[in-house]
Amino acid sequence: GENVEQHPSTLSVQEGDSAVIKCTYSDSASNYFPWYKQELGKGPQLIIDIRSNVGEKKDQRIAVTLNKTAKHFSLHITETQPEDSAVYFCADNQGAQKLVFGQGTRLTINP
Amino acid sequence: NAGVTQTPKFRILKIGQSMTLQCTQDMNHNYMYWYRQDPGMGLKLIYYSVGAGITDKGEVPNGYNVSRSTTEDFPLRLELAAPSQTSVYFCASSYPGQGKSGNTIYFGEGSWLTVV
Repeated sequence: GENVEQHPSTLSVQEGDSAVIKCTYSDSASNYFPWYKQELGKGPQLIIDIRSNVGEKKDQRIAVTLNKTAKHFSLHITETQPEDSAVYFCADNQGAQKLVFGQGTRLTINP
Repeated sequence: NAGVTQTPKFRILKIGQSMTLQCTQDMNHNYMYWYRQDPGMGLKLIYYSVGAGITDKGEVPNGYNVSRSTTEDFPLRLELAAPSQTSVYFCASSYPGQGKSGNTIYFGEGSWLTVV
């Protein structure tokens, strides 16, 4: 079945610096790649997504890039703030809107 | 809209007991899902449903059952609970489409289950 690999598992950055999280997928037919943010004790929330017909999408301080040839996509957070501290998950849509999730990245923003 | 509501929030079960996790959504979504999240891991799909009366197995269905008698409700049944079922369970819903919110999956707050 489809496999989504996410790196790094933990990431610590200084407030104001940028953070990058990368994911690779195996199914070349995949066409939808969301990123979810999970705060402690909460369910995951969608923060940004990208479809396979575009290479980059931005929403204020967050952006996602997609390289279909290499089968990887990345989350970029600029000007990080303490409230960005959370666990981030990438995912890949397997049809019938079923998501296969990466293992997660625990992001810590240091003041 | 309340979104996706799960109950109970926390539960401790003894080995061999059974229980049902309740899930309801008020967004009129066709698709509903149950995921489990083990500590430090991503979410794995247990069961999903594309509409009332239709259910399908996900990646890790063993030990669980579901039903979908209405659009709003998607309960998850654990029969003969085992320690391996200790996890956080998330119910979710979505609707198909290519619009701005199409494909967006909305999650509930989670249900923490411990089997001892």
